[in-house]
Order: sequence, then structure tokens, then C-alpha cells
Amino acid sequence: AQSVTQLGSHVSVSEGALVLLRCNYSSSVPPYLFWYVQYPNQGLQLLLKYTSAATLVKGINGFEAEFKKSETSFHLTKPSAHMSDAAEYFCAVSEGRDDKIIFGKGTRLHILP
Amino acid sequence: KAGVTQTPRYLIKTRGQQVTLSCSPISGHRSVSWYQQTPGQGLQFLFEYFSETQRNKGNFPGRFSGRQFSNSRSEMNVSTLELGDSALYLCASSRGSFGRETQYFGPGTRLLVL
Repeated sequence: AQSVTQLGSHVSVSEGALVLLRCNYSSSVPPYLFWYVQYPNQGLQLLLKYTSAATLVKGINGFEAEFKKSETSFHLTKPSAHMSDAAEYFCAVSEGRDDKIIFGKGTRLHILP
Repeated sequence: KAGVTQTPRYLIKTRGQQVTLSCSPISGHRSVSWYQQTPGQGLQFLFEYFSETQRNKGNFPGRFSGRQFSNSRSEMNVSTLELGDSALYLCASSRGSFGRETQYFGPGTRLLVL
């Protein structure tokens, strides 16, 4: 069965600094991988997804993630943090067609002025 | 295009009662899934409906049930409420194949069980 581990329930970075949110997955087949963001009192919004095309995936708001099969990782990065990036981020995995999506526990990103 | 809507947004119930939550997907979307979000357990998958059929189910007791109507609107029911059912319940819709499609989430229904 597939699973997702997000390292760090809270991450703090200074405004303008690099954002790195870690996600490791487990899957018995080539996975579909997603990053979602949740702002306070809102539902989740897709940032980006990997579906076996390019290993470097670019998403909205300047975020990108790299699929590394050898490391079973799908870390999310952004070169320069902005105050508006403060939110909770979820990594998710699916084993494909008609399969359920499993979410990680989430990482809350804090941006320091 | 209107997004996913959920009603009600907030709900207070007492133990032993039952509750029904409603979700209207984006027009044209045939898949609706439900999640329970709590601080301790995070986002947990409840079930997914596609064309009125339950296609996937998470590990929740039978007190949690759902259905989907011919217009793709979905309802979720929780019977005999327990304190631990207090959570944010999120609904998400997608066009088709659940596992690889982008899911669009509603704002959620926050349920408080007293």
C-alpha cells in the first residue's frame, strides 16, 4: 500500500529565503504525486502534480518539485519565500487510475519577516 | 465556473445525534470524494463516489456513509455521533479517474460534537 511521510510538521524560513518542504513516498508501482496548499479556513488547492512526465514539475506561485525515484522523494521548493506563502502544505500519493489518494500529515510553513 | 460548494459550513451537534453534509461538485465533474481533517490524524480519506457508485472507501466505521445523486451532488451521513467525530470535513471533485486527476476542494464543513 502507498504511504507518504512529510518531514517536519513545522518549518520556518525568513522572507526571501529558500523554501524546502520534504516528502518521501512509498509505492509499489510508479506513483502519481501531488502537492496541495491549505490557507486558514479554506479547502486545499493543488500546487503541482507529477504524472510520470518530466521529473521536475513546475507549479503555481513559483513552487516546483523534483521526482527522485532512487530516493523515493518529491520535495517542494521555492527560491524566495514570500509572506503570502505561510500556509499548510500537503504531499499526496496515488497509485494511479481509480486508486485513492493518500495525504501526508502536512507541514505548516511559517515565514519570518 | 463555480467551485465546489459545501453546506452547511459550520455545525454543532451533540453525541448520539446524526448529521448529513452536502457537497456540490464543479459542473461536469463526476467524481466526489470526502475527507476528514483533524489536528491529530491529518487528512484521512473517507470514500469516493463516481457516477453514483462508491468506488473507494477508507478505514472508517459503518457510521460513516455517503451517496451520490444523478447530478453528481453528494451527501455524507454520520450516525450516532461521537466526540471524536469533531473535525473539518472536506469534499473534493474531479472530472474522472480519481487517482491521477486534480482534485478541487470545497471550503469544508466544520463539525463540532458536544
